[in-house]
Amino acid sequence: GNSVTQMEGPVTLSEEAFLTINCTYTATGYPSLFWYVQYPGEGLQLLLKATKADDKGSNKGFEATYRKETTSFHLEKGSVQVSDSAVYFCALSPPNTGGFKTIFGAGTRLFVKA
Amino acid sequence: GAVVSQHPSWVICKSGTSVKIECRSLDFQATTMFWYRQFPKQSLMLMATSNEGSKATYEQGVEKDKFLINHASLTLSTLTVTSAHPEDSSFYICSARVARGLPYEQYFGPGTRLTVT
Repeated sequence: GNSVTQMEGPVTLSEEAFLTINCTYTATGYPSLFWYVQYPGEGLQLLLKATKADDKGSNKGFEATYRKETTSFHLEKGSVQVSDSAVYFCALSPPNTGGFKTIFGAGTRLFVKA
Repeated sequence: GAVVSQHPSWVICKSGTSVKIECRSLDFQATTMFWYRQFPKQSLMLMATSNEGSKATYEQGVEKDKFLINHASLTLSTLTVTSAHPEDSSFYICSARVARGLPYEQYFGPGTRLTVT
């Protein structure tokens, strides 16, 4: 079946450190891949997305590359800020489902210290 | 961008009462909305898919009679938690599917925190 596995958190970094949050997936065919961010007390916001192999999604300094060969979609940011503290969810949408069966990872909580 | 609102943002109710949560798409029409439940420090669990003008499709294990979903218009879906109990306390999040290009996108509401005492 389809599934998403994220690295367990929490991840604690100092400001300006490099961030990597690992995400791997299991799916048939070519799913669309997403990263969502959830700030405290809020709903999810789409951070970036990729729809096919080797696509790179990017937004607000965050990047993730769709790697079919390793079934991964790791999230990276070169220099984190305190305001990046949030929970990050990796998600996939299986092909040909019209988005009706989005599957979310467990989420990774990020703390950034000043 | 597409904006989804939820009301109320938080609610406290007594055990045995019913609570209604509204989800609105503010600047677009949403034929499909989703309702999720999120427990503390956990991921989102899809409860049901709400289609305008038809019955909601519930995920396995979700009680239809307890979590009533109505999608009467293209901009409004409601979730009613009937006869609420403390174990229903959770963060409820709705999202709307935007079928504009590929891939589809989901826009999420800010969530409603329900506390049942």
